[in-house]
Amino acid sequence: GAVVSQHPSRVICKSGTSVKIECRSLDFQATTMFWYRQFPKQSLMLMATSNEGSKATYEQGVEKDKFLINHASLTLSTLTVTSAHPEDSSFYICSARNPRLAKNIQYFGAGTRLSVL
Amino acid sequence: ELKVEQNPLFLSMQEGKNYTIYCNYSTTSDRLYWYRQDPGKSLESLFVLLSNGAVKQEGRLMASLDTKARLSTLHITAAVHDLSATYFCAVPRTTFGNEKLTFGTGTRLTIIP
Repeated sequence: GAVVSQHPSRVICKSGTSVKIECRSLDFQATTMFWYRQFPKQSLMLMATSNEGSKATYEQGVEKDKFLINHASLTLSTLTVTSAHPEDSSFYICSARNPRLAKNIQYFGAGTRLSVL
Repeated sequence: ELKVEQNPLFLSMQEGKNYTIYCNYSTTSDRLYWYRQDPGKSLESLFVLLSNGAVKQEGRLMASLDTKARLSTLHITAAVHDLSATYFCAVPRTTFGNEKLTFGTGTRLTIIP
């Protein structure tokens, strides 16, 4: 298996501030991590793919200057929501794939609930 | 563009009954994943279906995949309250060597005692 840790689990911030969310693979090295957003009672939407040592690739409609992704090591990817506004309030979930496991399963973090006041 | 639809979106069923959740997808894929999400929580992997005709069972849940019909089913046998959750199927698409997931709309399952 694989364990993915996400921190913080909950954050409340004022409009205009920036928030950083961390995603760590605890027992494996992940060259690729994924960031998803989930609005209440909706499905998960892929925001971006985080690649270690290179730029993240963003899905259509996701502002890369708004959602900064850094994948500086094989076990850590960060998502920074810059100048957050109430419409950015959502549940953000990261996932990582263990390249040593053949099934390509993505293991998910516990999620971060962001509330922007 | 890959679309993944689940049916039904909401399901309320009595304990002890059987039911099936359907997942249809719009483009070719030879694998599919099922996840469970409890309220306020992240996703738990349930099944990985890797080929046409694959069938996996775990407890009261059984998942199958028909790649020709682009259809997967999640069958619930003799439902119990603990199975109340939202269930998602997810279909992978490979872009530049990375397998990305497109999630279905989700099925919110409520088991009534």
